[in-house]
Amino acid sequence: DAEITQSPRHKITETGRQVTLACHQTWNHNNMFWYRQDLGHGLRLIHYSYGVQDTNKGEVSDGYSVSRSNTEDLPLTLESAASSQTSVYFCASSVQMNTEAFFGQGTRLTVV
Amino acid sequence: DQQVKQNSPSLSVQEGRISILNCDYTNSMFDYFLWYKKYPAEGPTFLISISSIKDKNEDGRFTVFLNKSAKHLSLHIVPSQPGDSAVYFCAASARRDDKIIFGKGTRLHILP
Repeated sequence: DAEITQSPRHKITETGRQVTLACHQTWNHNNMFWYRQDLGHGLRLIHYSYGVQDTNKGEVSDGYSVSRSNTEDLPLTLESAASSQTSVYFCASSVQMNTEAFFGQGTRLTVV
Repeated sequence: DQQVKQNSPSLSVQEGRISILNCDYTNSMFDYFLWYKKYPAEGPTFLISISSIKDKNEDGRFTVFLNKSAKHLSLHIVPSQPGDSAVYFCAASARRDDKIIFGKGTRLHILP
């Protein structure tokens, strides 16, 4: 069965470190998204991609970057981790516009 | 500026009764609306959607109503069951781009 997987599921890192969260989907979807979930804020869009070599900033993109070198993967990089980036991160993908997105299980990141 | 608003952080409903979750949006370009359900420690899962050309969509116990003039949609769950206890996210997207914007979520408690 096709799926979307995130790794690691849990990560603790130190302030100032570079961290990369992996997202891999086997749906062959063009669109991929990264969200963060925080209490009181719901799901906020960090970055998104419409296809290979395409990336776009979402509403909370500062301090994050993504790259899309193939259809399956959209890794999220925190260039210099900050305590404000402690959150649960969700990756998602969708086949085309105006269709539902499928989410991964999430990565809980703690920055100490 | 919040484009998708869920003004009720939580809602408690007796088992067997109707649950009504509300959502408002501000962006008139939105033309596709979705509801997601989320259990703790899991990714959001798609529940039901509606296109702006419709005012109602039904799937089993779940019905979504769209009032475009009021920029309001609601999710009805009838009858409510214990397994419906979860956080429900309202989401919207516009045809001109594929990004999906989420509300803050409403936590639904189904009481025995």
